[in-house]
Amino acid sequence: AQSVAQPEDQVNVAEGNPLTVKCTYSVSGNPYLFWYVQYPNRGLQFLLKYITGDNLVKGSYGFEAEFNKSQTSFHLKKPSALVSDSALYFCAVRAFTGNQFYFGTGTSLTVIP
Amino acid sequence: GAGVSQTPSNKVTEKGKYVELRCDPISGHTALYWYRQSLGQGPEFLIYFQGTGAADDSGLPNDRFFAVRPEGSVSTLKIQRTERGDSAVYLCASSPTPVHGSGELFFGEGSRLTVL
Repeated sequence: AQSVAQPEDQVNVAEGNPLTVKCTYSVSGNPYLFWYVQYPNRGLQFLLKYITGDNLVKGSYGFEAEFNKSQTSFHLKKPSALVSDSALYFCAVRAFTGNQFYFGTGTSLTVIP
Repeated sequence: GAGVSQTPSNKVTEKGKYVELRCDPISGHTALYWYRQSLGQGPEFLIYFQGTGAADDSGLPNDRFFAVRPEGSVSTLKIQRTERGDSAVYLCASSPTPVHGSGELFFGEGSRLTVL
């Protein structure tokens, strides 16, 4: 079975501090991994994805994520948080040979001024 | 249009009524997905189209739910005999990627369905 776990429902960080939003996954075979952000009453916006190659991928708005195959993790990171980063973040996984995207339950990020 | 368009943005209906939700994907995108998002939850897969055909409808919760994409572009999600438990935000997403490709999903802003 394929699944995504986001162990933290809520993450609070002070503005200017680094942030990490955690994600672990389970998938048959090699994964495609994605991060999306959702602002209130809006759809999901794509941030970044891991397909293959370099384990550190960079995406929109200064976000990056590190793929760790041995730990089956794909944590989202940003060196310096902004108040405008406050939103709901979703991790998603898809198997190379699959079509379904499986989403985590989301992590609410609050950046405190 | 520039993005995925979903209508209506809000729909309030009574228990037992029939509802249609429409999705207009990004032009040229062959893959189209429907997801359902309940409060405090992540998106839950419903159905996936590749072109006109439903390639995977394993996420539809029961036979009251049905979706079509007759010309390979616009899709309609149809819910018969609505129940209060159907209340959720229904998200549509499209992707330019063929089967098993690496492309990401582009989401619309969703249709919020409330069943009274």
